[in-house]
Amino acid sequence: DSGVTQTPKHLITATGQRVTLRCSPRSGDLSVYWYQQSLDQGLQFLIQYYNGEERAKGNILERFSAQQFPDLHSELNLSSLELGDSALYFCASSVTDPDTQYFGPGTRLTVL
Amino acid sequence: QKEVEQDPGPLSVPEGAIVSLNCTYSNSAFQYFMWYRQYSRKGPELLMYTYSSGNKEDGRFTAQVDKSSKYISLFIRDSQPSDSATYLCAMRAGGATNKLIFGTGTLLAVQP
Repeated sequence: DSGVTQTPKHLITATGQRVTLRCSPRSGDLSVYWYQQSLDQGLQFLIQYYNGEERAKGNILERFSAQQFPDLHSELNLSSLELGDSALYFCASSVTDPDTQYFGPGTRLTVL
Repeated sequence: QKEVEQDPGPLSVPEGAIVSLNCTYSNSAFQYFMWYRQYSRKGPELLMYTYSSGNKEDGRFTAQVDKSSKYISLFIRDSQPSDSATYLCAMRAGGATNKLIFGTGTLLAVQP
């Protein structure tokens, strides 16, 4: 158990809908990262927050957004969902930046 | 061409065998190299973390980095059925960035 928690574990929704994924980092970790893992693309970095502020952006679609709250938990918002958004979404956290990243168990999103 | 290439396998070996997993990369700015293990339906778990070229050993695991060839390896000695998982290499450049670039992962099955 890495200490990073993610909710929900599974999410099934329809195309065009909006969902919110939640991540609580390890106690004391200031940095949160979001990744998408699909069968054809592997693990892709989406976005990073450090102590409430956006630090780095990767291959994140404009339909996706994220934020980190004062208590350091983070949410990833996915809107206008498409079939191709079906994937595992992982959150990772680290104490500082840069530093070793520890991954949560993931949220499996299925878009029907 | 992807920045990090990894043979997806699957790789099937008998219990007790020595396993060799490899990644090649194209970005000479990469300085930090990691190996993650991912069990089915779980988040990636950090196994090894190395900086620059050379070898690092931890129990049955040895990580090897050859920056001149842009090639990294993970060796598993005395492989066990519990080692059956997907192994992901990851790397990042030096400096302030903590953006990890992952290989697509190699699926390993250790047969009892």
